[in-house]
Amino acid sequence: AQSVTQLGSHVSVSEGALVLLRCNYSSSVPPYLFWYVQYPNQGLQLLLKYTTGATLVKGINGFEAEFKKSETSFHLTKPSAHMSDAAEYFCAVSQTGANNLFFGTGTRLTVIP
Amino acid sequence: DSGVTQTPKHLITATGQRVTLRCSPRSGDLSVYWYQQSLDQGLQFLIQYYNGEERAKGNILERFSAQQFPDLHSELNLSSLELGDSALYFCASSPVSKTGQETQYFGPGTRLLVL
Repeated sequence: AQSVTQLGSHVSVSEGALVLLRCNYSSSVPPYLFWYVQYPNQGLQLLLKYTTGATLVKGINGFEAEFKKSETSFHLTKPSAHMSDAAEYFCAVSQTGANNLFFGTGTRLTVIP
Repeated sequence: DSGVTQTPKHLITATGQRVTLRCSPRSGDLSVYWYQQSLDQGLQFLIQYYNGEERAKGNILERFSAQQFPDLHSELNLSSLELGDSALYFCASSPVSKTGQETQYFGPGTRLLVL
């Protein structure tokens, strides 16, 4: 069984500050991990994904995430927040043999000017 | 623009009614997924089709059904609608089916309001 936990349904940061969005997963097999972003009134857009290989994954818009198997985590970070980063962020997991995604409950990021 | 299109964008209907949501995947994508996003349940996987055949089922109610046509577009049929079915319904597509690594490309969604 797979599941994703996102700690913090709302996160506020100042413009220029570090963004850290937390994601922990549970999976009985090696997981594939994804971060998606949803801007208001839009669909989901892939930020980055981890499948195999390098555990530090770089994505679009300056975001990156690190897969830590020992901590079952895949936290999303960005060194310096921009106003345009305000959105809802979803962590998701899938596994080999099944492409459907299991999503976390989402974290709404607010960027304060 | 993900290349996935969904119609209609908004749908308002009454309890007990039936509606059909339509999705056209990205060109070349054989796999289509349907998800429901609601305040109560969050983002939930409903069902997946691959090249016309049902491939995986998630938390899809018996009142709901889907199909994928030979031209690869898909329709999600919701019947005997209840107030709790009000949600945003997303369609996503990907090139293949079972690797688990595939990026899914999401459409803009259909917002359903049941009154």
